[in-house]
Amino acid sequence: EAGVTQFPSHSVIEKGQTVTLRCDPISGHDNLYWYRRVMGKEIKFLLHFVKESKQDESGMPNNRFLAERTGGTYSTLKVQPAELEDSGVYFCASSQERGQDGYTFGSGTRLTVV
Amino acid sequence: GEDVEQSLFLSVREGDSSVINCTYTDSSSTYLYWYKQEPGAGLQLLTYIFSNMDMKQDQRLTVLLNKKDKHLSLRIADTQTGDSAIYFCAESHRYNTDKLIFGTGTRLQVFP
Repeated sequence: EAGVTQFPSHSVIEKGQTVTLRCDPISGHDNLYWYRRVMGKEIKFLLHFVKESKQDESGMPNNRFLAERTGGTYSTLKVQPAELEDSGVYFCASSQERGQDGYTFGSGTRLTVV
Repeated sequence: GEDVEQSLFLSVREGDSSVINCTYTDSSSTYLYWYKQEPGAGLQLLTYIFSNMDMKQDQRLTVLLNKKDKHLSLRIADTQTGDSAIYFCAESHRYNTDKLIFGTGTRLQVFP
């Protein structure tokens, strides 16, 4: 089966611009997660979807970040307007069952804001 | 609070054992995990341990859990150059086991 796919793999944008990251989970996985790793720091949870609903968005940094999962399939994470501190690697993961070892991560999108 | 700490770097010779250490703060975590990230790749789950276990072994990997000290370690026996990667320790959040709390990652470099 295809894994979790993220697009683009890299993005370089200027401060103030808008960027949209996309995640295609494994087909049939209801749970979808976004995480972020800022350079050299820990990987931090952003939010969790169950199908199209936001189950937990406690990790979203501020209202410049908007995550959607229309129809419960792929998800997008939009940053508008981007700031320098948004630079990092954004990981998406999906799972069929909740908790334990059900996570499958994508390769991440490396976002650089200049 | 939620905090998972790891040392940043570890360098070992091929064939030796590697031990990567991690400390965590939430004693109520249900699961503790080790993930591996190779260059350009996503996070790969290596192994996990339930909080009521002390040890788990899987081929070359041994996970030790000291609940009293909130210390988790990953031992890789007969380390190979292909083991070079970043290793992340993670714990499940106490109220939401879907949510993982990661450490900063330990970069393991294996030299011949």
